[in-house]
Amino acid sequence: GENVEQHPSTLSVQEGDSAVIKCTYSDSASNYFPWYKQELGKRPQLIIDIRSNVGEKKDQRIAVTLNKTAKHFSLHITETQPEDSAVYFCAASSPGRRALTFGSGTRLQVQP
Amino acid sequence: DTEVTQTPKHLVMGMTNKKSLKCEQHMGHRAMYWYKQKAKKPPELMFVYSYEKLSINESVPSRFSPECPNSSLLNLHLHALQPEDSALYLCASSQPGQGADEQYFGPGTRLTVT
Repeated sequence: GENVEQHPSTLSVQEGDSAVIKCTYSDSASNYFPWYKQELGKRPQLIIDIRSNVGEKKDQRIAVTLNKTAKHFSLHITETQPEDSAVYFCAASSPGRRALTFGSGTRLQVQP
Repeated sequence: DTEVTQTPKHLVMGMTNKKSLKCEQHMGHRAMYWYKQKAKKPPELMFVYSYEKLSINESVPSRFSPECPNSSLLNLHLHALQPEDSALYLCASSQPGQGADEQYFGPGTRLTVT
């Protein structure tokens, strides 16, 4: 089955700096890669996703890149703000198994 | 309506109790999911329903029994749970097919088994 590895497990940055979180996946059939943000006591919220036919996607301060050959994808947050502090999960799914396999999560702390 | 709702928000139950968790969505999604999330861990898939049929059971113990009465509702029946089953139970929905895999999560039910 699919295995998704995520790192780092914790990341502390100063407000205004950039943050990068990286994930690798094992199943070459995976074609959908979402990122979720989960604040303490809240539901995971989809913040951005990318499909295997695209190499990069941006939404304001957030971007995701995908390297299919190397089977890794990354989340980039620019101009970080304290409200970006949360746990971020990457995930992957394949057409044959329409369920998400999550990475272990990254706790991002943005210091004011 | 772009929301998945879950009831109850919190549930405390003894090991001999029978209870049910409920999930509802009105987005017309035809796939619904149950995940279990322990503290500081990612969500772990339990069950998937696609077009009201159980399509994935991740070898979940039989003390958890899912039910999908219609395309908008998903239940999780609980019986004879163990303290280690205490967790946040998340429901999600998506529209299968045509690559539309975005899953939207409900707020979860925080379950404590005493």
